[in-house]
Amino acid sequence: SQTIHQWPATLVQPVGSPLSLECTVEGTSNPNLYWYRQAAGRGLQLLFYSVGIGQISSEVPQNLSASRPQDRQFILSSKKLLLSDSGFYLCAWALGTAAYSNQPQHFGDGTRLSIL
Amino acid sequence: KQEVTQIPAALSVPEGENLVLNCSFTDSAIYNLQWFRQDPGKGLTSLLLIQSSQREQTSGRLNASLDKSSGRSTLYIAASQPGDSATYLCAVQGGSEKLVFGKGMKLTVNP
Repeated sequence: SQTIHQWPATLVQPVGSPLSLECTVEGTSNPNLYWYRQAAGRGLQLLFYSVGIGQISSEVPQNLSASRPQDRQFILSSKKLLLSDSGFYLCAWALGTAAYSNQPQHFGDGTRLSIL
Repeated sequence: KQEVTQIPAALSVPEGENLVLNCSFTDSAIYNLQWFRQDPGKGLTSLLLIQSSQREQTSGRLNASLDKSSGRSTLYIAASQPGDSATYLCAVQGGSEKLVFGKGMKLTVNP
């Protein structure tokens, strides 16, 4: 069966520090991968998605970037964190080889990021 | 721009009630609609996915319906239990990878 792992579960970082959140998927090949942010009082917002190694699409301009160095690894990064980057970050995967998968998305347990 | 609304934002009911959770969306040109459950501090668990050509999907005590033309979906929970307490989110997918989510409905089922 497929599993998705995110780490760390919680993170407290000072403003201006770098960030690296990692997500890995097991039990499937060539998944579509997604990074979402869930801020208090707001819905989930899609940040990035990837349909293959090295292929990243950005949904919103921001202080963050994403990379997919391996088929089942998705990394969310920042060079300098802002207070507004605080939130709950969720990674998800779905089956699909095209940009549109029409398959359910499966989420990790998330990373709670607090910026001080 | 697609917008998804879930009303009410919270619901508290006694155990055993049959529940209807509502979701509405503004653009009927969707490929699918998904219902998720989120427990506090956790990620989302996929409950049901209804493709645009379908009218409903069932899984155990859960039944989701879709009326694309009116921009509505309902999630029906039969014989609610305290373990059903969670936030329920619906999301629609149009012609891209982007899922547009509602803000969710927090359900509390009291024993």
